[in-house]
Amino acid sequence: AQTVTQSQPEMSVQEAETVTLSCTYDTSENNYYLFWYKQPPSRQMILVIRQEAYKQQNATENRFSVNFQKAAKSFSLKISDSQLGDTAMYFCAFVQGAQKLVFGQGTRLTINP
Amino acid sequence: GAVVSQHPSWVICKSGTSVKIECRSLDFQATTMFWYRQFPKQSLMLMATSNEGSKATYEQGVEKDKFLINHASLTLSTLTVTSAHPEDSSFYICSANPWTSGSLVEQFFGPGTRLTVL
Repeated sequence: AQTVTQSQPEMSVQEAETVTLSCTYDTSENNYYLFWYKQPPSRQMILVIRQEAYKQQNATENRFSVNFQKAAKSFSLKISDSQLGDTAMYFCAFVQGAQKLVFGQGTRLTINP
Repeated sequence: GAVVSQHPSWVICKSGTSVKIECRSLDFQATTMFWYRQFPKQSLMLMATSNEGSKATYEQGVEKDKFLINHASLTLSTLTVTSAHPEDSSFYICSANPWTSGSLVEQFFGPGTRLTVL
């Protein structure tokens, strides 16, 4: 079974700093997708970024970028120039085939003014 | 586009009663919808996968007679918590997967429903 592990329960940085959230996963499949979701205090799940496993190029979305290391089964999220609105729970997620998302435990990120 | 709504957003009920939560895809058709449960400060736990016109597929450990799921149309799935008890109090989130011809599309999440059973 696929598993997703986020080893950082909580992180805290100052506004404008760069922060990296870690995620590792376990799968025997070759084709799959990885996601980072953000859950702010409103609890609405928001897609931050996604990565197709067959693409070697790391995905980027404005201030958000990933470091996808397929061989190491690692998928970290880098947030540059962090803003107060980035404060949220961040979930790494994996999906393959049947489109059943598998979530990590989450990382609570706090951006301090 | 790709908006998913849930109703109600917050419900309080007495122990022993049943509660229905609706999940609607507002601007797309969803052949598959998912129901998650989230406890405070924890991750989302998949409860069941709902396919339009067929029976839901429940995850291991989820009581199908307790959590009734109906996906009667391409835009609506409902979760009914039957004979609710305080331990059923939780945050319930649905998501919808738009139909495409063979390619993966991300799931779009509803805003969630907070259930409190007294």
